[in-house]
Amino acid sequence: ILNVEQSPQSLHVQEGDSTNFTCSFPSSNFYALHWYRWETAKSPEALFVMTLNGDEKKKGRISATLNTKEGYSYLYIKGSQPEDSATYLCASERGSNYKLTFGKGTLLTVNP
Amino acid sequence: GAVVSQHPSWVICKSGTSVKIECRSLDFQATTMFWYRQFPKQSLMLMATSNEGSKATYEQGVEKDKFLINHASLTLSTLTVTSAHPEDSSFYICSANVGPGEQYFGPGTRLTVT
Repeated sequence: ILNVEQSPQSLHVQEGDSTNFTCSFPSSNFYALHWYRWETAKSPEALFVMTLNGDEKKKGRISATLNTKEGYSYLYIKGSQPEDSATYLCASERGSNYKLTFGKGTLLTVNP
Repeated sequence: GAVVSQHPSWVICKSGTSVKIECRSLDFQATTMFWYRQFPKQSLMLMATSNEGSKATYEQGVEKDKFLINHASLTLSTLTVTSAHPEDSSFYICSANVGPGEQYFGPGTRLTVT
């Protein structure tokens, strides 16, 4: 694949549920995979930058895994809270030129 | 953390006029800034790379004469949409590159051309 694809486009979960979403990206010329959290009217906030195949990163209740050979990354949220409601973006960086190719994002809504 | 501001946050202009959007890094210097735009239900698309003290480089399909980029200092890049038309209505967002894997985004500017 040449584009960055994210699924699902949106999902609604209940407070306390755990959830995960997927990012698929071109595996050729891979340099890094970025995850951002974007709340309405705010700046996208960097969550993770991942570079190594098999890498797993964690920040509080959020974690991410990376498979560069097959070109996918998963983002997991454990025990979702209403404040986790946001759009989660992934972006592929191919070659070390800092240019990012974004997916369309996954809109997460956590219902209290 | 690194903060990037954009001004204005939204703007409405008439067809044929020009609009300038500012992107500032508030507490750090950035030799490289990026400009993206996002159409409804689409992904953020890179428009151009703005380098301090040199000409911007534009992505394929982006008109450099229409989208003028100036990066006159290490904390400010501007994007001017010249002779704006309704099809230029979009969400424009900038980012500042600090180093490998470190790119900080502004909150974006919503442009509506009537």
